[in-house]
Amino acid sequence: AQSVTQLDSHVSVSEGTPVLLRCNYSSSYSPSLFWYVQHPNKGLQLLLKYTSAATLVKGINGFEAEFKKSETSFHLTKPSAHMSDAAEYFCVVSAYSGAGSYQLTFGKGTKLSVIP
Amino acid sequence: EAQVTQNPRYLITVTGKKLTVTCSQNMNHEYMSWYRQDPGLGLRQIYYSMNVEVTDKGDVPEGYKVSRKEKRNFPLILESPSPNQTSLYFCASSFAQGYEQYFGPGTRLTVT
Repeated sequence: AQSVTQLDSHVSVSEGTPVLLRCNYSSSYSPSLFWYVQHPNKGLQLLLKYTSAATLVKGINGFEAEFKKSETSFHLTKPSAHMSDAAEYFCVVSAYSGAGSYQLTFGKGTKLSVIP
Repeated sequence: EAQVTQNPRYLITVTGKKLTVTCSQNMNHEYMSWYRQDPGLGLRQIYYSMNVEVTDKGDVPEGYKVSRKEKRNFPLILESPSPNQTSLYFCASSFAQGYEQYFGPGTRLTVT
């Protein structure tokens, strides 16, 4: 069994300040982890992914995330928030679930607000 | 341009009137999937397809049907829609199960 917990349902930051969106996971097998962003009235766009290579993963638009196995975390960060970063962010875990299948589990999402 | 397309983008219908939401991808992906997104519940998988002619239920399959006759297309069928199927629907595709998915723009369905 696996699960994903996004620790904050809503995060508010001022423009130009750092962004931290927290994600913890549990998985019986070595997972792949993803962050997606969803702007209003849009589909989900892949920000970055971890697939057992480098633990610090860089994505689009200046975002990065660090895979910490000991803490079972995959937090998303950005040094300086822009107004255009206001959106909902989803942490997703994918892992082998037996019988040749993979299970994909979405977090509930974190809504990021950026204050001018 | 690599993309997943869905049609229609918006649909208002009445209870019991059969409808189909189309999904098509141009990336030659093996795996395709349908999700619904509801406030407070996040994304939930309805059905998925590992390959042509291979489909399986996700977490919330009741009231939905799918088919995968061609690799690029994966339509979602609601034979007798009900108001509790009012939701935002997303189609997604990936190289294979477990890989990153590429999402369509969404279809907002309202059933009255």
